[in-house]
Amino acid sequence: GQNIDQPTEMTATEGAIVQINCTYQTSGFNGLFWYQQHAGEAPTFLSYNVLDGLEEKGRFSSFLSRSKGYSYLLLKELQMKDSASYLCAARNSGNTPLVFGKGTRLSVIA
Amino acid sequence: GAGVSQSPRYKVTKRGQDVALRCDPISGHVSLYWYRQALGQGPEFLTYFNYEAQQDKSGLPNDRFSAERPEGSISTLTIQRTEQRDSAMYRCASSLQRGQETQYFGPGTRLLVL
Repeated sequence: GQNIDQPTEMTATEGAIVQINCTYQTSGFNGLFWYQQHAGEAPTFLSYNVLDGLEEKGRFSSFLSRSKGYSYLLLKELQMKDSASYLCAARNSGNTPLVFGKGTRLSVIA
Repeated sequence: GAGVSQSPRYKVTKRGQDVALRCDPISGHVSLYWYRQALGQGPEFLTYFNYEAQQDKSGLPNDRFSAERPEGSISTLTIQRTEQRDSAMYRCASSLQRGQETQYFGPGTRLLVL
């Protein structure tokens, strides 16, 4: 079967760092994705990992450990506009659709 | 176009009616995906196409749901004899080529079945 687990909600303070964890179980593996989704809007692509390690992109970084079936999204220097849902998604093989987790709703407070 | 577009953005229908939801992918994108998203949940896969060929329809809930992409561009998701449980946000996404990692999502069609 396929399963993506991530926390339902998190709260963090403006200017701080937050780490959103994701564990996955898929029959195959060809990539781990993070999307950001503001309320009422479409998901927007943040990051993609297919090899172990850390991918850094500005204030956002994503980490993958294939052996552990684990990924995290790291958000630095949090801003109020970062309040959104963050969706972890895995892909089984080359061109198959993404399997999404339920999303982590992040609230950034002053 | 500049992004994925979907129409209508909102659809209210009565139980038992048929509805057709349209997706216009980014120009030149080979792969097109349909998802359904309930409030507070992640998108759930329904079906997808490479060019005009439907590759996988295992996510369609039952035979009232069907999709087509006859010319390899615009796609239509059709729900026949709608039921209240069909109420959800229906999202379309496209990607440039098979296996290309980034899927770009459209704004979705909010379907409400009364």
